[in-house]
Amino acid sequence: QLVLTQPPSASASLGASVKLTCTVSSGHTSYPIVWLQQRPEKGPRYLMKINNDGRLTKGDGIPDRFSGSSSGAERYLTISSLQSDDEADYYCQTWASGGVFGGGTKLTVL
Amino acid sequence: QVQLQQSGPGLVKPSQTLSLTCAISGDSISNKSIAWNWIRQSPSRGLEWLGRTYYRSKWYHDYAVFVRSRLTINPDPSKNQFFLHLNSMTPEDTAVYYCARDYTGYFHHWGQGTLVTVSS
Repeated sequence: QLVLTQPPSASASLGASVKLTCTVSSGHTSYPIVWLQQRPEKGPRYLMKINNDGRLTKGDGIPDRFSGSSSGAERYLTISSLQSDDEADYYCQTWASGGVFGGGTKLTVL
Repeated sequence: QVQLQQSGPGLVKPSQTLSLTCAISGDSISNKSIAWNWIRQSPSRGLEWLGRTYYRSKWYHDYAVFVRSRLTINPDPSKNQFFLHLNSMTPEDTAVYYCARDYTGYFHHWGQGTLVTVSS
């Protein structure tokens, strides 16, 4: 069974960078994932898709401050020049006979 | 620009059926590259995929195992919208329900969400 694992929380200072992690379970490390942003009281928003070879497909209008990468079972979302409205929950998602979601990381901008 | 607009009740009584509508603009529900999904979110269970409908010369449906016996997702091509019908509702079905558009299994566009409370 494919599982996506995310740390529950992360924090970084205004103007700094942060790297969020999504770990794909063993035996499924070739799976692409997408990153979703969910601001308070809002629906999720597609940020980008990351393949296991690191290829990125960003959503329309997603700033260059948001980037992604991949290494083995890890998929990363890096946000640079943090702004206050980057404070949100970030989820990874993939597909395995149905939609599969990580538990989400709550990002606090200090 | 694709937009998904949800409508439906915010309160359902136990044992009743929840019915939600997702109206599509900026794309066709019959697009053979796309599927149309329902997903829900609750504090206790996080984001849960419920099921989808899609057109590939005929209509297909996929449902999550845990709701398969209670869930129906129907397309309405005449109005470019689709529906969720979830029967035998219980308080454990209380959640925010989202419709979403997927391309090859990845959710690119989401509706605004509908908070559904199951209570008598």
